[in-house]
Amino acid sequence: EAQVTQNPRYLITVTGKKLTVTCSQNMNHEYMSWYRQDPGLGLRQIYYSMNVEVTDKGDVPEGYKVSRKEKRNFPLILESPSPNQTSLYFCASSPTGMFYEQYFGPGTRLTVT
Amino acid sequence: AQSVTQLGSHVSVSEGALVLLRCNYSSSVPPYLFWYVQYPNQGLQLLLKYTSAATLVKGINGFEAEFKKSETSFHLTKPSAHMSDAAEYFCAVSEIGNQFYFGTGTSLTVIP
Repeated sequence: EAQVTQNPRYLITVTGKKLTVTCSQNMNHEYMSWYRQDPGLGLRQIYYSMNVEVTDKGDVPEGYKVSRKEKRNFPLILESPSPNQTSLYFCASSPTGMFYEQYFGPGTRLTVT
Repeated sequence: AQSVTQLGSHVSVSEGALVLLRCNYSSSVPPYLFWYVQYPNQGLQLLLKYTSAATLVKGINGFEAEFKKSETSFHLTKPSAHMSDAAEYFCAVSEIGNQFYFGTGTSLTVIP
C-alpha cells in the first residue's frame, strides 16, 4: 500500500530533550516536506526537500533540523524542544514539488512540557 | 511569499444545502491551487487541484472549485451537503521554488 508513515504518533517530552520524528514514504517520491498544524494558523511548512541531500527552509524553520540521506526518509529533529513547539506535525511527499498534490502521513502529536 | 486567505473559520450548512468555502490567494502569477480535506484525527487528503488547464475543476465526493484569475480566488462548492462532508477544509497554493502555503482552514458543520 502506498503510504507515508510517521513515528511516533504521540510524544510527550520535556524542554531541552532532543527528539527525532521519523518519516518514510514508499512511493519513490522526490519531494518531501514537514508541516506543523496549530489551531487558527492552519498548516505551516517547516522544511522541504526536493531530493537526497537537498533541503530548503519553509516558513517556520527555527528550532528544527532535517536531513535527507535516503530518498524514502526525511526525519525531523528537534535538538532542544521548547513548549512553543507543542503542535501536530505532518510529513508529506509528492512525485515532484509544486505541480503535484502531496500525500500526507497520519500526523505526530507532540507535547513539550 | 504567498498568502492564502480562507474567509470563515467555521461554516454551518443544513444537509442538502449548498456548500461554499472561500479561498483567495495573493500571487500575481497564477500558481497551482489545491483543496484538501481533513477528517478528525487524520492526515489531509486531496479533494481537487488546479494546474492551469480548465478553470472549473471537479474533485472527489461531488466537490468542485472555480479558478478566477481576476478575483485571485479558488472557492470550493458542493451543490448538496451530506453529513459525511463535516470536516476541516484547507486551501493551498504552491509556487516556483516548490514551497507550499496553506490557509488557516474552514471547519464545516452539516446540520441534519
